[in-house]
Amino acid sequence: KAGVTQTPRYLIKTRGQQVTLSCSPISGHRSVSWYQQTPGQGLQFLFEYFSETQRNKGNFPGRFSGRQFSNSRSEMNVSTLELGDSALYLCASSLGGLAAYQETQYFGPGTRLLVL
Amino acid sequence: DQQVKQNSPSLSVREGRISILNCDYTNSMFDYFLWYKKYPAEGPTFLISISSIKDKNEDGRFTVFLNKSAKHLSLHIVPSQPGDSAVYFCAAQTQGGSEKLVFGKGTKLTVNP
Repeated sequence: KAGVTQTPRYLIKTRGQQVTLSCSPISGHRSVSWYQQTPGQGLQFLFEYFSETQRNKGNFPGRFSGRQFSNSRSEMNVSTLELGDSALYLCASSLGGLAAYQETQYFGPGTRLLVL
Repeated sequence: DQQVKQNSPSLSVREGRISILNCDYTNSMFDYFLWYKKYPAEGPTFLISISSIKDKNEDGRFTVFLNKSAKHLSLHIVPSQPGDSAVYFCAAQTQGGSEKLVFGKGTKLTVNP
């Protein structure tokens, strides 16, 4: 079974631009979560999508948004990029069933974003 | 305010010895804990988990201990192998919480031959 894939793997943008990252979950997984990893803050939860609806949300500004499609693929968008948005963005998928809060999440390799 | 803390940024052990990675948490509502391992240029990989109704869970060379009264958990790797060299993240969940997983900042383990 193919793992979680993320595209692109690397991205360079300048301040003020916007960026869209893509995540394809493991086949059959309906939950997709996004995390930001920075050296200073570690891994921080951005949001979770399940069946095209945002189910959980972390403490990030509204510049960070996402969506999920009917095939469970998800995109994350960051508008008006700031230098501090430079990070590794990870997506994780899980089945998303009723006991979802104890499900194992499977992570993709991440997209490394550099904002200049 | 960091709810999950891994106070040791790095740990170095000799091959064959025990590695002990520690994690403290502040939110008493956390009821499920996980350890993830991360190699460079890869996403985190699930290693082992423990529910708050248990105080120990074992899987091969990996054992996680949970001390609820101290709000502390630890991961023991015995015996340590060079392939275990990676960054280890402790994570926590609470049923009904708004965040899917709350992670610590990680501990970089180096196992020397």
